[in-house]
Amino acid sequence: GAGVSQSPRYKVAKRGQDVALRCDPISGHVSLFWYQQALGQGPEFLTYFQNEAQLDKSGLPSDRFFAERPEGSVSTLKIQRTQQEDSAVYLCASSLVLGGVVYNEQFFGPGTRLTVL
Amino acid sequence: AQTVTQSQPEMSVQEAETVTLSCTYDTSESDYYLFWYKQPPSRQMILVIRQEAYKQQNATENRFSVNFQKAAKSFSLKISDSQLGDAAMYFCAPRYSGAGSYQLTFGKGTKLSVIP
Repeated sequence: GAGVSQSPRYKVAKRGQDVALRCDPISGHVSLFWYQQALGQGPEFLTYFQNEAQLDKSGLPSDRFFAERPEGSVSTLKIQRTQQEDSAVYLCASSLVLGGVVYNEQFFGPGTRLTVL
Repeated sequence: AQTVTQSQPEMSVQEAETVTLSCTYDTSESDYYLFWYKQPPSRQMILVIRQEAYKQQNATENRFSVNFQKAAKSFSLKISDSQLGDAAMYFCAPRYSGAGSYQLTFGKGTKLSVIP
């Protein structure tokens, strides 16, 4: 596809349920980021992958959050035992790596709006 | 913590007029990049303009330009000849070299309304 895609676009979960959010980055983009955007706020960094390697997970708010990118393309963000405070839009972004240098521009997907009841 | 401050939660501008959105940030680094992103109501974040901190010349991109004051750690966005399609949330987002993972640090955003 031409851009970053995410699915589902909307997810409603009951408190305590597990959810999985998917991100398809732009083909050839080896860098992939997850951000969490609470209502009325700017996005906040969650985690970063370069190919299949998760190089930074310092932004994950708790051990209920887990991300993977097993083949270096599609990524999944999993939230276990969802809580109401997990309600937010989850954004995925990807960027190029050229000559070992992470390219500046991040291309964002449309996000997944998670509502936990 | 490296903070980003957008002091104007909401702004409005008359169509065809000019508006300036402010952003200040806090970092001890000397080499970094600065971005303005636009997020229309549909939610997809779009890059508006970027600035390399080592460049003194202010970036311009058609109707969009920045006023980068490195010493003051200020990075404002000027939109000229505002159009209805410019209505959106605007986020200032530095990318610090020392971040290691190259993540963006976003401000809280400024909601821009364009009045016909």
